Amino acid sequence: DAKTTQPNSMESNEEEPVHLPCNHSTISGTDYIHWYRQLPSQGPEYVIHGLTSNVNNRMASLAIAEDRKSSTLILHRATLRDAAVYYCIPFSGTYKYIFGTGTRLKVLA
Amino acid sequence: GAGVSQSPSNKVTEKGKDVELRCDPISGHTALYWYRQSLGQGLEFLIYFQGNSAPDKSGLPSDRFSAERTGGSVSTLTIQRTQQEDSAVYLCASSLDRVGTIYFGEGSWLTVV
Repeated sequence: DAKTTQPNSMESNEEEPVHLPCNHSTISGTDYIHWYRQLPSQGPEYVIHGLTSNVNNRMASLAIAEDRKSSTLILHRATLRDAAVYYCIPFSGTYKYIFGTGTRLKVLA
Repeated sequence: GAGVSQSPSNKVTEKGKDVELRCDPISGHTALYWYRQSLGQGLEFLIYFQGNSAPDKSGLPSDRFSAERTGGSVSTLTIQRTQQEDSAVYLCASSLDRVGTIYFGEGSWLTVV
């Protein structure tokens, strides 16, 4: 399983962009990079995933380094509802999903 | 709705009793996961079912924990002789196949008194 390193916590002001980093230096060539988030008292929910190219969806953008050893989840305008724990998970389907400790994002009004 | 359904949503049990937690995955999803999350902690992988393959039980913390998946659909997680340290929320998730996005249920909150 690829190991990941994420900051334990981050803070952002409301309406400002947030960049959540993840290091995954042992990622394999077939691993997609998945991001999930867990809102308080809820199960995790899917945010976005990508392989090599940057990806955008209605929730966020994912920027993947050229060497794929790191990636950054970008929330373009943080809202109070985005306060959650964000998990970065390299995954290829050859083994199960393993959630690390994630980054707890606090959004300040 | 058509999401992952778990029951019961809350369970309080006495130490030493057995409990069963049920998960009804999204229809057609072949992969099913059980995780445990203690208060303020991260998600701890317990067991993974994929199609007709033998389940990956590597995360089960002790032989008091077992799980089965009948007919490739509904799964039951059983905890025998519950202990106070078993108190946690037990989360079930499913995905269409081994590489798909996983979808979580709301969890079953277990309190052992």
